[in-house]
Formats: sequence, structure tokens, C-alpha cells
Amino acid sequence: DQQVKQNSPSLSVQEGRISILNCDYTNSMFDYFLWYKKYPAEGPTFLISISSIKDKNEDGRFTVFLNKSAKHLSLHIVPSQPGDSAVYFCAARPMNRDDKIIFGKGTRLHILP
Amino acid sequence: NAGVTQTPKFRVLKTGQSMTLLCAQDMNHEYMYWYRQDPGMGLRLIHYSVGEGTTAKGEVPDGYNVSRLKKQNFLLGLESAAPSQTSVYFCASSPGQNTGELFFGEGSRLTVL
Repeated sequence: DQQVKQNSPSLSVQEGRISILNCDYTNSMFDYFLWYKKYPAEGPTFLISISSIKDKNEDGRFTVFLNKSAKHLSLHIVPSQPGDSAVYFCAARPMNRDDKIIFGKGTRLHILP
Repeated sequence: NAGVTQTPKFRVLKTGQSMTLLCAQDMNHEYMYWYRQDPGMGLRLIHYSVGEGTTAKGEVPDGYNVSRLKKQNFLLGLESAAPSQTSVYFCASSPGQNTGELFFGEGSRLTVL
């Protein structure tokens, strides 16, 4: 049973517009959520994270929103740029440190010129 | 600053052959991980290590063995390769579990015929 779900395999957005990537989780025992970005033929790189005690974290063009009651988080990219075309993975860290970080299946973002 | 280095980058094996993937990190991280990425499956944890001399099973450990004889190295072994092990393998490291941020290598593409 997937605990971290990214229901959109792909997303296309016009350059300059806002990109919104969504992630849902089923376990209330996560205390940290992360987004990773992955280009083809490269390893994933950390992008931004949010603690479960917050509802928003912003870093330049990237903002992550957390809605604990809905068990939903989203990554907003504004404005979208061609270099943002990549696969984005949502990940969650359990409060129990014996359990490992769980990744979603990823969403491929295409930024259209 | 090399970060996390994986060797080899590409390998083709025949069913039943054995091989070892090497991961080396120069950041003095305690934790190291091996993931596999398959289309539509996201990143799945194979094995991990929380320190030199320790290893533990992840989500999909069958068919793989690991060793962490030195803090900076984490080896992933396939004793008898199967076509189902065709995948892209990523090594990652982290200083601990404070935030869940992982540092990934560039990946190793393995094909088993």
C-alpha cells in the first residue's frame, strides 16, 4: 500500500506560469516532507523540505505547502523556467527513526516554451 | 568535491552472473543507502547502513547483499543476476536523520539479459 502518492505521472506547464505538483500521504506519523528533483542520467537532488509543524516553506521560486488535515502537500514553482523540466519526487520521513524515508513514484514536469 | 560516486555507471550482465556496485562518499556521512528506480515505481530502498560495519534490509532486499567495511564505502552485490534486477541503481548518503536530506550518486544502469 503506497504511503506517499503522486497521482499525476506528468504535467505540462507554459514557461512563466505556475507549476503545481501534488503529493498525498496516508500515514500521520511522518514529521518531515521533502521534494527532490531529478534530471535524466543524474541522481536526484534535494530541492526543498517542510516540517510537519509548519504549513508553508519558501525558497526563492519554490514554495511547499502542507495541509495536515487533508494529508496533502504541494510544490509551487513560480515562475516556471525551462530548467525546471525534470522528474520531481515527493518524500516523507517517519517519526520513528528506525523506519526509512518513503518516496512517491514521481511526477515528470515539462515546461513548454 | 566528489560527493557520492558510483562505479560502474553502466553494466550488462547475463542471467546468473555476479557483480558488485561500489559507492563511495567523501562527506564523512554515517548513513548510506542503495535504491533502485524502475519506470512507474519511484525509488525503492534495497539495503541501508547506519554506520561502518552495520547493514539492514530495506523494502526490496531479495537477491542483493551489501557490505560496509569502511565508513566511506557501501557495496551492493548481486550473487546471481536475474532479468528482474535490470534497473537503475542509486546510492545515497546522509549525515544522520535530522532532516531526511539525502545526497545521491549519479546512478548505475544495470541490464541483465
